[in-house]
Amino acid sequence: QKEVEQDPGPLSVPEGAIVSLNCTYSNSAFQYFMWYRQYSRKGPELLMYTYSSGNKEDGRFTAQVDKSSKYISLFIRDSQPSDSATYLCAMSSGYKLSFGAGTTVTVRA
Amino acid sequence: DSGVTQTPKHLITATGQRVTLRCSPRSGDLSVYWYQQSLDQGLQFLIQYYNGEERAKGNILERFSAQQFPDLHSELNLSSLELGDSALYFCASSVGSGGSYEQYFGPGTRLTVT
Repeated sequence: QKEVEQDPGPLSVPEGAIVSLNCTYSNSAFQYFMWYRQYSRKGPELLMYTYSSGNKEDGRFTAQVDKSSKYISLFIRDSQPSDSATYLCAMSSGYKLSFGAGTTVTVRA
Repeated sequence: DSGVTQTPKHLITATGQRVTLRCSPRSGDLSVYWYQQSLDQGLQFLIQYYNGEERAKGNILERFSAQQFPDLHSELNLSSLELGDSALYFCASSVGSGGSYEQYFGPGTRLTVT
């Protein structure tokens, strides 16, 4: 079993829809949770960073962490074609990041 | 632009050869991390340096080595290359050492071994 499980998709939504992305994890030691966006095999771009259970909002993005269920989510409101990318969840208990496999999202105009 | 730079952007080389990938962290960052991204393995942590010292090792092969220099730039050396080493290699940097610090990724080096 992988430490971090992420549905690879792909996910296709119409412009303006809410995109919902999820990851589950098995390592209880994970304390820090991140979401990265990666365009066409470019460098991953940090979108959200959180270390506590609950919700964190940044513009159209909301990150949700439920440590008791070992589950994290990313919601993208009012999705735009420019949001089309691969979204990677990542988490850490120490020095290294453990990544999910990534979910490829396409937002249709 | 994250502020992390990597050179070269692309490398094409033959099996058995040795290559060096270079990374310059963001200004003020002391930690450098190396990751490998292949189609079947996803993003895998290789190794971390903090202020010149090795801090953590991940799934790094013995044929691979890295170092961080006094000016904080880092190099990843890959030797006796095999076809399976073809991948994207990313460098990331952070201010401190540890998961509490956000990691910012460079644009990557695409390595093709033929």
